Amino acid sequence: GAVVSQHPSRVICKSGTSVKIECRSLDFQATTMFWYRQFPKQSLMLMATSNEGSKATYEQGVEKDKFLINHASLTLSTLTVTSAHPEDSSFYICSVNGGSNQPQHFGDGTRLSIL
Amino acid sequence: RKEVEQDPGPFNVPEGATVAFNCTYSNSASQSFFWYRQDCRKEPKLLMSVYSSGNEDGRFTAQLNRASQYISLLIRDSKLSDSATYLCVVNPGQGRGSTLGRLYFGRGTQLTVWP
Repeated sequence: GAVVSQHPSRVICKSGTSVKIECRSLDFQATTMFWYRQFPKQSLMLMATSNEGSKATYEQGVEKDKFLINHASLTLSTLTVTSAHPEDSSFYICSVNGGSNQPQHFGDGTRLSIL
Repeated sequence: RKEVEQDPGPFNVPEGATVAFNCTYSNSASQSFFWYRQDCRKEPKLLMSVYSSGNEDGRFTAQLNRASQYISLLIRDSKLSDSATYLCVVNPGQGRGSTLGRLYFGRGTQLTVWP
């Protein structure tokens, strides 16, 4: 069964809308979750590392005020794309660390389309 | 230089063919290595971990050459269902000032198996 649940799987909305994406760890507590973004024909790029109970760590070039991350519990992290624009249209995927040197478990991803 | 480099392909092969993918990584201290498979518009799914001694899982064989910082994946007796994008993934480990569990993804190699 799924280890990570991500919701919603698909979002289509108007420019200027804020969109919240949820990532839940189903089988175990996750102090760290990762948020990735993938543009067509590109590799997954890490956007930020979500840390339970503290501020997220953002990768260079990712605007923290644009992509708000909240990790208030050990099983839930949320990514909010604020005032989304067409260039934010992408495939957003969260993942949970499987343990030291273990593969990560990915959510199903959220395909975001901003009109 | 990118952390992980892959030949993007595409590779188009007939059923039953043997195909090999290659990948190089830049951080010599990297600790763990994986091949993921990603179907179109889906999240990545773990295909196999890559061990220093090389490992095999059915028709799939993975090799790691730490001296050359090179990883390979060999698929024998290709099936139509093998058509996907194959992602080379590296975990640099925490010693690099990197978050535990942070992964670096190659761009992916696209494979199409035709009947």
